Amino acid sequence: DSGVTQTPKHLITATGQRVTLRCSPRSGDLSVYWYQQSLDQGLQFLIQYYNGEERAKGNILERFSAQQFPDLHSELNLSSLELGDSALYFCASSRPINYGYTFGSGTRLTVV
Amino acid sequence: AQSVAQPEDQVNVAEGNPLTVKCTYSVSGNPYLFWYVQYPNRGLQFLLKYITGDNLVKGSYGFEAEFNKSQTSFHLKKPSALVSDSALYFCAVSALVSNTGKLIFGQGTTLQVKP
Repeated sequence: DSGVTQTPKHLITATGQRVTLRCSPRSGDLSVYWYQQSLDQGLQFLIQYYNGEERAKGNILERFSAQQFPDLHSELNLSSLELGDSALYFCASSRPINYGYTFGSGTRLTVV
Repeated sequence: AQSVAQPEDQVNVAEGNPLTVKCTYSVSGNPYLFWYVQYPNRGLQFLLKYITGDNLVKGSYGFEAEFNKSQTSFHLKKPSALVSDSALYFCAVSALVSNTGKLIFGQGTTLQVKP
């Protein structure tokens, strides 16, 4: 157990739907990062939050959004889902920044 | 912009032989460099990192990596490969000057160790 908890582990949903992925960072970690891993795109950085505020944004689609709550857990919201959104979504946390991440075990999203 | 290149999609090595997984990077300023390993259906696990200091970094499971600033490389090595080392390996970089800690990952290299 890495200390970073992601739920759910698996999610199957239909095109056009909306889902929410949840991440609880390791205790004491203030930064949360979201990544998408697909076969053809590798690990793509989506977005980072630090202590509740957005810190960096990557290749995140407008249909996707995220937030970090006062208790530091984070949620990634994916809407108007398309087949191409099927991927593994990883959350990672760090403390302090630039010292590497601890990854969660990921959420496997399948859009049918 | 930061970038990482892992030129080999797959590396094959016999058990007991030394292994090298290659990584080159591009970043403004001094880099923070990392190696992670991913086993099937698992998250990424931290292996080692270079922040500053000795160019040879030792990490988990007998792995080590050598930072070469002139060649902008950070190759992962192990003197004697095990079948259990077979996995997907990712190199990552973060710019020292960055205030985000965001890591940029390479495409990954599949290591296959044959008995």
